Parts: sequence; structure tokens; C-alpha cells
Amino acid sequence: DAMVIQNPRYQVTQFGKPVTLSCSQTLNHNVMYWYQQKSSQAPKLLFHYYDKDFNNEADTPDNFQSRRPNTSFCFLDIRSPGLGDAAMYLCATSRDRQGVREQYFGPGTRLTVT
Amino acid sequence: AQTVTQSQPEMSVQEAETVTLSCTYDTSESDYYLFWYKQPPSRQMILVIRQEAYKQQNATENRFSVNFQKAAKSFSLKISDSQLGDAAMYFCAYRSANGNQFYFGTGTSLTVIP
Repeated sequence: DAMVIQNPRYQVTQFGKPVTLSCSQTLNHNVMYWYQQKSSQAPKLLFHYYDKDFNNEADTPDNFQSRRPNTSFCFLDIRSPGLGDAAMYLCATSRDRQGVREQYFGPGTRLTVT
Repeated sequence: AQTVTQSQPEMSVQEAETVTLSCTYDTSESDYYLFWYKQPPSRQMILVIRQEAYKQQNATENRFSVNFQKAAKSFSLKISDSQLGDAAMYFCAYRSANGNQFYFGTGTSLTVIP
């Protein structure tokens, strides 16, 4: 089945130690998103890629970076995680301007910062 | 930016009964998409139902239906014959027809009482 895959599902990192979360998709969608979700809150969009075009949200801290080397993969890099960055990180995909327009979500990566 | 408001942080329903979750949104656009997503505890966010703004007919998916009032900018979700598996956080979301960003409401936590 076509899907959005996130690895790892659980990640523990130390305060200040860089960490990378990965997302892959088999849907061939041209838009990929990264969200941060804290407990019982709505997902907060960090940035998204429309093909290779990177779109950063104005309030996304510089500590968060992203890479999309090809259509299928997208990475979230947290350069110096703080305790406040502990959250669920959701990757999602969608198509642009054609067909169905909803997002498809991955299962998320739960990040713990110690 | 568009805003999406879910005024009910928590709702409960007896099993087999019907419940309606509210959502309002603010936009100046005429063409857009609306969605309801379900996020069970510790599980993946999945699409429940979607509505294209240009369609007057309310969307229906089995036990789930919407009441889309475009002039009032209201998009409520009705769950009929509620089941224990319907217990989850429900998010209302908006997407412009010309953009890739999704705007989420703050969510409604639904409890189903046996």
C-alpha cells in the first residue's frame, strides 16, 4: 500500500545534540510537510516543500532545518534540541492542484530530549 | 492567514448515539477545501471526510456526514451510531484551492461512553 513512513518512531536525544528525523513516501506526492505536535494540541506547521521549493513558516525557529533530496524523502534536522523541542513530529504529503487535495500523514516520530 | 476555530475542546457521546462537532473558519476566498481528521490516542492521523467548497451537497462517508454552510463559514461533523472506536481527537482543517498550506483547528477530544 502507498504510504508515508517515518523513522524512527521514537527518538531520544540529549540536550544540544543534533538529531535527524526521516520521512519517506510512496505516494509520489509533490508536497511534503513537517509538523510539530505537542500533547493535546493541533499540529503546528514548521515548513513544507513544494517539489524542491522550500517554504518556511515565519515562526519556525532557526534550530529547525529540512532537506528534501528527492521526491520520496524529506528530513527534519534539529541542530541543537532543547527541552522545549520534545514533541511528536508528523510528516505529511499532498498533491498540488490535481485530484484529491487532502494530506496523508505518517505515524509520527516522538522525540524525547534528556 | 485563514483561521479555523473549534469551540468544543471536549465532547462525549453515548455509544450508538449521535454527536455533532463544530467548526467555523474565516476566509475571504471562494474556492477551498475543508477536512475532518481523526487522531486516536497514540495513533496516526487519518482523514475522516472532506468537502470541496464549490459543492453544495454535504459530504457523507458511512456514519460520518458534514453540515457545510458556506455563507456562515461553518463546517460541522456529525457522527451517527457512535462506536467505541470513534474515541479520538478530531481536527478540522482548511486548505485554499490555490495553496499548499493547511490550517488546523485546536481539536475536539471525543469520548464515547459504553
